[in-house]
Amino acid sequence: DVVMTQSPLSLPVTLGQPASISCRSSQSLVKSDGNTYLNWFQQRPGQSPRRLIYKVSNRDSGVPDRFSGSGSGTDFTLKISRVEAEDVGVYYCMQGSHGPGTFGQGTKVEIK
Amino acid sequence: QVQLQESGPGLVKPSETLSLTCAVSGYSITSGYFWGWVRQPPGMRLEWIGSIYHSGNTYYNPSLKSRVTISRDTSKNQFSLKVNYVTAADTAMYYCVRDNGNWEIDLWGQGALVTVSS
Repeated sequence: DVVMTQSPLSLPVTLGQPASISCRSSQSLVKSDGNTYLNWFQQRPGQSPRRLIYKVSNRDSGVPDRFSGSGSGTDFTLKISRVEAEDVGVYYCMQGSHGPGTFGQGTKVEIK
Repeated sequence: QVQLQESGPGLVKPSETLSLTCAVSGYSITSGYFWGWVRQPPGMRLEWIGSIYHSGNTYYNPSLKSRVTISRDTSKNQFSLKVNYVTAADTAMYYCVRDNGNWEIDLWGQGALVTVSS
């Protein structure tokens, strides 16, 4: 299985400041169809995960534009341009290019 | 609005069978998508268990394949998960999900906590 490694695992952030989460895969996520199936999920306290980003950089409907995804191959990043209080939670990357889909360990974002 | 809702026993004895059902509202599970199960043991990362396609075909995570069965009841618009011979390692929050292919989960249920204990 493809191993997904996130860093940092804990991210204290000041309100209004940017935040960045890294996700690395143990092999390239470029699939034979030319797409890269890398997703980002947000899990707020007490809630189910919610997808924010699919195929590296595509925001889901209703996701604020302060969230952005980037990267290629084996290195990917989720950025929050200005952290708001509602962004507190755990963020997961997940790859779907090589079955079965696998998740990162999660990064806990908290307010300083 | 499409919604997923898990149901089932919250406590299962070791060596017995864990059974969960996911009721889907707002969309017919025979119309499209993969319908799957993901779990998260306490303190551990999320793990894909398996899926059933709208055609009825199934895919299982090889690490769990020998113990897992996913089935569906189209008359009730729901799908189910069975995990045989459970141990404490199967204690987890279990989520039913909708996947539009390539493990692209776009919907999650609220989750069902299952504890394996005697």
